[in-house]
Amino acid sequence: DQQVKQNSPSLSVQEGRISILNCDYTNSMFDYFLWYKKYPAEGPTFLISISSIKDKNEDGRFTVFLNKSAKHLSLHIVPSQPGDSAVYFCAASVNNAGNMLTFGGGTRLMVKP
Amino acid sequence: EAGVAQSPRYKIIEKRQSVAFWCNPISGHATLYWYQQILGQGPKLLIQFQNNGVVDDSQLPKDRFSAERLKGVDSTLKIQPAKLEDSAVYLCASSPSLRVRDQETQYFGPGTRLLVL
Repeated sequence: DQQVKQNSPSLSVQEGRISILNCDYTNSMFDYFLWYKKYPAEGPTFLISISSIKDKNEDGRFTVFLNKSAKHLSLHIVPSQPGDSAVYFCAASVNNAGNMLTFGGGTRLMVKP
Repeated sequence: EAGVAQSPRYKIIEKRQSVAFWCNPISGHATLYWYQQILGQGPKLLIQFQNNGVVDDSQLPKDRFSAERLKGVDSTLKIQPAKLEDSAVYLCASSPSLRVRDQETQYFGPGTRLLVL
């Protein structure tokens, strides 16, 4: 039973355009969401997060949107750069459950110059 | 600040053999995690330690997997005996505490890529 799903295994975007990565979840107990970025042969690195009390969090070129009623979140990257090419994982947590993260399957983003 | 260290980076073994992975977390991080990432999937938590105690090991296949964190710092994950389906990347992560908030997230090591033949 996949509680966090990323339905698009890959996404290709032109440099300078917007990249939109999507994530859906089923567990209504999740109240904290994170995005991780992973380059080949490296571990995932934290990118941005959002608490369930917010619907938007922005950090430079990266913005995460949360729609609790739809159990959906998205990561927007504007403008996309070739260095953003990586696998992006969505993760979710129940804040009082010991920092345990449930990850989605990942989306491979390719930004073409 | 040094990151999470893992060794070895790569390991190839035959099925039914044993293997062990080592992790050194970021200094001062009380919480340590082991994840299994099968090709094409997201990381799956195997076990979580707080200092040298186990917080959660509900997804650890205990008939063949074991993990320890004896002095509350370094940790080892062992598989004995290995099966073909254990081929994966084993990621170690650490965090300052049990609470998830802005910067108190998990920091991952580079992983150990295991191939079982």
